[in-house]
Amino acid sequence: AQSVTQPDIHITVSEGASLELRCNYSYGATPYLFWYVQSPGQGLQLLLKYFSGDTLVQGIKGFEAEFKRSQSSFNLRKPSVHWSDAAEYFCAVGNFGNEKLTFGTGTRLTIIP
Amino acid sequence: EAQVTQNPRYLITVTGKKLTVTCSQNMNHEYMSWYRQDPGLGLRQIYYSMNVEVTDKGDVPEGYKVSRKEKRNFPLILESPSPNQTSLYFCASSPWTSGYANEQFFGPGTRLTVL
Repeated sequence: AQSVTQPDIHITVSEGASLELRCNYSYGATPYLFWYVQSPGQGLQLLLKYFSGDTLVQGIKGFEAEFKRSQSSFNLRKPSVHWSDAAEYFCAVGNFGNEKLTFGTGTRLTIIP
Repeated sequence: EAQVTQNPRYLITVTGKKLTVTCSQNMNHEYMSWYRQDPGLGLRQIYYSMNVEVTDKGDVPEGYKVSRKEKRNFPLILESPSPNQTSLYFCASSPWTSGYANEQFFGPGTRLTVL
């Protein structure tokens, strides 16, 4: 069965500092991987996704993520965070047909001035 | 505007009183799904539908029903709600192409409280 682990429940970062959110997945084949962001009181918005090809993927809002098969990881990064990045971030893995999307438990990001 | 809409956005009800949460999308997507979000558990899939009249169970289907009579609508039915179904519910849709990382588009959520 597919699964996702986000080991950090809550992360606090200073505005302008770099960010890395961790995601580890378990899936028997080549995974489809996603990062979604949920702002307070909002639905989920896709930041980026990995399907195949270049293991470093670029997303919206200046985010990027790197797929590392050997480490079963898909960590999300941003070189300089902005106060508007405060939100909850979810990593997800999809199966081949992509009818089943399994989410991690989320990482809440707080930005301090 | 392309979107997924859910109604109601907020609902407080009592144990055992049947309710329906509606979900509609205007993007002609084949795939639709329901999730519940609980603190510390992330989002868990309840049911999904690959197309009209095709539905299947997700990870937590107990206590829920769905139907897909039209492509755009995918209502979630709680025939006898219980307090453990108090949660934040999201509907999502996707164009779904086999073998492709299809993005799911999410509705704004429905916060349900069962007393």
